[in-house]
Amino acid sequence: EVQLVQSGAEVKKPGESLKISCKGSGYSFTTYWIGWVRQMPGKGLEWMGVIYPGDSNTRYSPSFQGQVTISVDKSINTAYLQWNSLKASDTAMYYCARPYDYDTSGPFDYWGQGTLVTVSS
Amino acid sequence: QSALTQPASVSGSPGQSITISCTGISSVFGTYNYVSWYQQHPGKAPKLMIYDVSNRPSGVSNRFSGSKSGNAASLTIYGLQAEDEADYYCKSFTSSNTWVFGGGTTVTVL
Repeated sequence: EVQLVQSGAEVKKPGESLKISCKGSGYSFTTYWIGWVRQMPGKGLEWMGVIYPGDSNTRYSPSFQGQVTISVDKSINTAYLQWNSLKASDTAMYYCARPYDYDTSGPFDYWGQGTLVTVSS
Repeated sequence: QSALTQPASVSGSPGQSITISCTGISSVFGTYNYVSWYQQHPGKAPKLMIYDVSNRPSGVSNRFSGSKSGNAASLTIYGLQAEDEADYYCKSFTSSNTWVFGGGTTVTVL
């Protein structure tokens, strides 16, 4: 059974750094893209970027390029989303997700449970 | 403001059919047939309903149907049911090798 398990909720202050995780299991981790999606409170879904664990090839949405870093540790089947300096506007639910097939970075058929990040002074 | 435009809300009575549109510029839709649709109930993770314009993942009801013409895609829900009340998002591949979501549509079953 394919599973994506995300790290727990975080409460941080502006300016702090943060790295949240997404652990995949039940499939060949290195042969499927993994993506990140943001959902701000009461708002829609935003595609942030994807990474291919096999070679760490990464693509970012122009809206998130330079604002976050997506990485992976394939030795432990885990993808990460990282901020160096959080802002209040980073407060959101963050989902990791995996496409339905290995040859696409697109349609996400498997989703993590979400990680709620709250940034407040 | 998303590069893909969806109506904020669509409503229908049980048993009726509704259609949600998703329009975009050519650099977003291009010539690709890589449009997908997601359903999201409150407090839940999104669920893939349609991929590659018109394909349904295993387990998704055949009451859901997708199509695309030019720079516009559509999701039609036939035989509307109470459980279909949710937010729906389109998503498309772009010429930049990235993906983008539409702004989302709230479906209300009257």
